[in-house]
Amino acid sequence: AQSVTQLDSQVPVFEEAPVELRCNYSSSVSVYLFWYVQYPNQGLQLLLKYLSGSTLVKGINGFEAEFNKSQTSFHLRKPSVHISDTAEYFCAVDGTDKLIFGTGTRLQVFP
Amino acid sequence: DSGVTQTPKHLITATGQRVTLRCSPRSGDLSVYWYQQSLDQGLQFLIQYYNGEERAKGNILERFSAQQFPDLHSELNLSSLELGDSALYFCASGRTSAHTGELFFGEGSRLTVL
Repeated sequence: AQSVTQLDSQVPVFEEAPVELRCNYSSSVSVYLFWYVQYPNQGLQLLLKYLSGSTLVKGINGFEAEFNKSQTSFHLRKPSVHISDTAEYFCAVDGTDKLIFGTGTRLQVFP
Repeated sequence: DSGVTQTPKHLITATGQRVTLRCSPRSGDLSVYWYQQSLDQGLQFLIQYYNGEERAKGNILERFSAQQFPDLHSELNLSSLELGDSALYFCASGRTSAHTGELFFGEGSRLTVL
């Protein structure tokens, strides 16, 4: 069965610093991976997705993620964060008929 | 604005009661998904409808039911409510039944059971 593990529940970082949010997946079949962001009091919004092709995926708001099959990882990165990036970030994997979400990583950006 | 509308935004009720949550998908989207978000369980998939038909079922309790109407809006019915049902319920919509496309989430309905 497919699953994702987000290794950090909270990531504090200062503004303009780089950040990496970690996600590992488990899947016995071809894998489709996603990152969604949830800003306070809002629904989830797609940041980026990997379906096939280039392992480096670029998304909105300057985020990117790299699909690493050998390490079964799909880490999210941003070279320089802003205060407005403070949010909850969810990694998700295709679960045949649904998306299976990780437990989320709270990114807190400090001035 | 995702284009997905959920009502009500907040709901407070008592144990044993029944509530109905409503979702209007984005214009043109045929799929509707329901998710439950709670602090201890995270985001849990409940059920998916595509063009009026149930397509997939997740961890949905027997006390819960849902349907998608001909105009494509969906309702999630929660009955015999328990304290543990307090959560944020999200609706998401998509163009097709394949969720490898983008899902668009509403802002959620926050249910508090007292």
